[in-house]
Amino acid sequence: RKEVEQDPGPFNVPEGATVAFNCTYSNSASQSFFWYRQDCRKEPKLLMSVYSSGNEDGRFTAQLNRASQYISLLIRDSKLSDSATYLCVVNDPGGYNKLIFGAGTRLAVHP
Amino acid sequence: ETGVTQTPRHLVMGMTNKKSLKCEQHLGHNAMYWYKQSAKKPLELMFVYSLEERVENNSVPSRFSPECPNSSHLFLHLHTLQPEDSALYLCASSQAASGYEQYFGPGTRLTVT
Repeated sequence: RKEVEQDPGPFNVPEGATVAFNCTYSNSASQSFFWYRQDCRKEPKLLMSVYSSGNEDGRFTAQLNRASQYISLLIRDSKLSDSATYLCVVNDPGGYNKLIFGAGTRLAVHP
Repeated sequence: ETGVTQTPRHLVMGMTNKKSLKCEQHLGHNAMYWYKQSAKKPLELMFVYSLEERVENNSVPSRFSPECPNSSHLFLHLHTLQPEDSALYLCASSQAASGYEQYFGPGTRLTVT
């Protein structure tokens, strides 16, 4: 079982759509969770941290379910500029600040 | 300069060459990382430096040699690479404690011929 699993997609959605990405992680002792965004041939950029109570940043909402070891990202009112690969990231509790990256879910928003 | 910078941005080298990648962070962090990202693969952690001490070496071949002279600078020395080492090499930094987000530089796109 992979440490962090994501649906690779691609998700092809029209502008204005709502899209949700899911992620599962294998180590129940993980304590920190993030979503990163990576544009083609660019570096990953932090999109948002994920907190136990869930958190929202504009059109983006992240949720965490520790019991199911499941993280989600919801994007509302998709924009063309949201097209990217979204990486689910979880900390490795066994090491120094080591983050485990999922392979990413690709999103393509079309007019 | 702000954030994390990397030089060079692109590098083409032969298998017998020696080159170095440089990373500098301007965020006041005290942990730095090297990652490798090959085409259509997830990020692979190579090395972790925390408070200038190497704390993780993720079974990386000895042809890759990291150096961290201070908390702001990180180098990756390359020698006798193989074509399969062609990839995007990313540097990141964070606070040196578990659970902190990492910030990435723009990467060096390396091609080994």
